[in-house]
Parts: sequence; C-alpha cells; structure tokens
Amino acid sequence: GAVVSQHPSRVICKSGTSVKIECRSLDFQATTMFWYRQFPKQSLMLMATSNEGSKATYEQGVEKDKFLINHASLTLSTLTVTSAHPEDSSFYICSARVPVENQPQHFGDGTRLSIL
Amino acid sequence: LAKTTQPISMDSYEGQEVNITCSHNNIATNDYITWYQQFPSQGPRFIIQGYKTKVTNEVASLFIPADRKSSTLSLPRVSLSDTAVYYCLVGDIERNYGGSQGNLIFGKGTKLSVKP
Repeated sequence: GAVVSQHPSRVICKSGTSVKIECRSLDFQATTMFWYRQFPKQSLMLMATSNEGSKATYEQGVEKDKFLINHASLTLSTLTVTSAHPEDSSFYICSARVPVENQPQHFGDGTRLSIL
Repeated sequence: LAKTTQPISMDSYEGQEVNITCSHNNIATNDYITWYQQFPSQGPRFIIQGYKTKVTNEVASLFIPADRKSSTLSLPRVSLSDTAVYYCLVGDIERNYGGSQGNLIFGKGTKLSVKP
C-alpha cells in the first residue's frame, strides 16, 4: 500500500535552533502534501498545505515565516521550524493522497520535536 | 466540510465487537466517509472508507444508512492492541476532502479502551 515516510522520528534540540523535517511519498507522486501538528491529548490540527512547485498555503494563525515549507519534488516536502522555542515542542505529522480515484490520505509516522 | 460528532470515549473487553458511531448531518453529495486509527506517538492509520451502504475489509466494517447522516465503524472481536483513538472524517476525497485548500479536518475522535 501507499507509504508516507517522515524523518527524523524524534528531534531534541536547544532553543533557537532551526529544525527540518522531511516527508516523502515512497511509492507514489504527491502534488499536495499536508502538515499537521498535534499537542498531547489533542487532535491533529492542520498547519499548512504543501503544493509542489508553488508556495504553501497556511492555516489561520500559523506563521509562514516560522514554519517554512518547501515542496521541491513530487515525492518530498520539508517543514523547517525556524528559531524553535519550547512552545514549538509538539508532534508534527505529514500526509499525502495517492492521486488515484477514491484513494484516501496516508500519514507519516510523525516527528516528535522537543525544544529545550 | 461536514462536521462530525463522535463519542469521546468507549470501553470494551477483548473478544467483543465494538461499534463506534459518527454523526455528520451536513454531509454533501460528493463526500466520502473515512475512518482512521491513531496510536500514541504515531500518525493516523487508514482503516476504511465508504460512500454508502456497507463496506468491509480485513479489519473492519463500515455501515452507512441511506440518508448518510451517520456512519458506524464496526470492529469485530477487538483485542488489547485495538486500544487507540479512532477518527471519523467526512469530505470530498477527490478534492482532498474539500475546504478552501482541500484538506482533512480532524475532530476530537473516540478513545477506545479495550480491557482484558
């Protein structure tokens, strides 16, 4: 089945560091990928939509200069958390849909980001 | 996007059948119903998807009445490993679940606890 891979699975770093998270579609091409954030005991919240070859679109309240998204190829989207602070600590998850009729979205296994 | 309502939590015992119902009163004609399972510190995993009547796969069944205003996920003979949060999502999958950017909107989900 369709697989979406995220890397790294866990990051621990100091405040002020920029962190890059990769999301790859392993066996299909995805013109659109999505980035979510999930705080403990809460549901997933959509942050932004990553569009291949164009700018990402961000949800209300999500700072585009803070969370940089690059979708340079049909199989890779990256999320960079710039100058991360402890309040950015969260579980970040990406998803993509196989561009075939009636196919659902598939999610990566997430990245646990901890800012000290 | 159609708003969904699910029970916050459910308890069951090993070997029992579990039915989780989701209400989606304003479902649109093009909307599909999709269920995901999420374990702690993992991304959501696709379980089943349907449009009407009944859909069955190797892990679950999905029952959708004629008016499509609700759906029921049925898990046969649950085990301890089925303890997870289950999300019901409704949207136009051909537009990545609709919305201005075509995205999945997660509700609070149902936390299923399976006891021995």
